[in-house]
Amino acid sequence: AQTVTQSQPEMSVQEAETVTLSCTYDTSESDYYLFWYKQPPSRQMILVIRQEAYKQQNATENRFSVNFQKAAKSFSLKISDSQLGDAAMYFCAYRQTRDDKIIFGKGTRLHILP
Amino acid sequence: DTGVSQDPRHKITKRGQNVTFRCDPISEHNRLYWYRQTLGQGPEFLTYFQNEAQLEKSRLLSDRFSAERPKGSFSTLEIQRTEQGDSAMYLCASRPTGLPEAFFGQGTRLTVV
Repeated sequence: AQTVTQSQPEMSVQEAETVTLSCTYDTSESDYYLFWYKQPPSRQMILVIRQEAYKQQNATENRFSVNFQKAAKSFSLKISDSQLGDAAMYFCAYRQTRDDKIIFGKGTRLHILP
Repeated sequence: DTGVSQDPRHKITKRGQNVTFRCDPISEHNRLYWYRQTLGQGPEFLTYFQNEAQLEKSRLLSDRFSAERPKGSFSTLEIQRTEQGDSAMYLCASRPTGLPEAFFGQGTRLTVV
């Protein structure tokens, strides 16, 4: 069975600094998607960034970028120039290409220190 | 607002009562998902639909839980004979063909007292 592991329950970063959130996953599939979702307090979950497993190039969305290491089954999220609005729970998630189910990790709570 | 809509946002019920939640997906999203999220945890998959067909159910979905999507548009999730362990946030998400990611609603927070 596929699993997603986030080993950092909480992290803190100073405003304007850079932080990296870790995620590892377990799968025997070669074709899949990986996601980072953000869930602010009492607000809905939104997609931050997506990576297709067949793409070697790491995805980037403005201040958010990933380090995708397929052989190591690692998918970390880097947030540059952290802002107060980045404070949230961040969930790493996985979906097989030929399946519809999205599997989530337990999340990392990110605090931004002013 | 054209996002995923869930109703109600909050529900408090007494143990043993039945509750029903509704989810309206984004228009033309043919896939619809239900997840359960307890405090401090990630969303756990419950079930999903492709159009009106329920294609997969998690083992978490006991016999007291039932979900429907009768016309392939909105969906309902019913919990019968609620238990305190059912207290959680119930999230709905939808996804169109051609996009890998799902779009989430704000959730229904259920408290069983």
